[in-house]
Amino acid sequence: QKEVEQNSGPLSVPEGAIASLNCTYSDRGSQSFFWYRQYSGKSPELIMSIYSNGDKEDGRFTAQLNKASQYVSLLIRDSQPSDSATYLCAAAPSGTYKYIFGTGTRLKVLA
Amino acid sequence: GAGVSQSPSNKVTEKGKDVELRCDPISGHTALYWYRQRLGQGLEFLIYFQGNSAPDKSGLPSDRFSAERTGESVSTLTIQRTQQEDSAVYLCASSLLSTADTQYFGPGTRLTVL
Repeated sequence: QKEVEQNSGPLSVPEGAIASLNCTYSDRGSQSFFWYRQYSGKSPELIMSIYSNGDKEDGRFTAQLNKASQYVSLLIRDSQPSDSATYLCAAAPSGTYKYIFGTGTRLKVLA
Repeated sequence: GAGVSQSPSNKVTEKGKDVELRCDPISGHTALYWYRQRLGQGLEFLIYFQGNSAPDKSGLPSDRFSAERTGESVSTLTIQRTQQEDSAVYLCASSLLSTADTQYFGPGTRLTVL
């Protein structure tokens, strides 16, 4: 069974701090990884995609991938209350169409 | 269109009735996905379309669920003889390609079965 695991949280951080969200995946054949943000009652929206080992930065967001450890993380710098949401990690095995989604980590940024 | 659209946004129905949910993908996107999300839960894959064929229907919970797609356009998800456990948000996503490409989600249809 291919799985993506996330801590459900909530992860609470003060405003302005760095929020670190983590995800592990079981299928070593996974090649593409995605972070989605989902506000309560809304649909998921893409934050970042990452395909290669290392870091990928986009504004306040940095995705980190370590394929050897089968680990993906998302760092949010200067966290804002508006970042409070559930963050979904997804992995896509090579050559397949099917994402495997984690159940999400709920982030609360405290003003 | 600018994004994936779904209709209706909300649907309340009585147990035993049939419902039809619609998804309009982003123009030009060949792949289309349906997911179910129960309250407080993660995304549950239902079915995937590549063009108008559905190579993987493995996620459909029962034979009461069916889906079709017209070409690389609109898809409908039909639930027959709805049950209370069918209550959930049904999300549609589309992607330009089929393999490991970014999926873009619609706003979802919230289905409530009384």
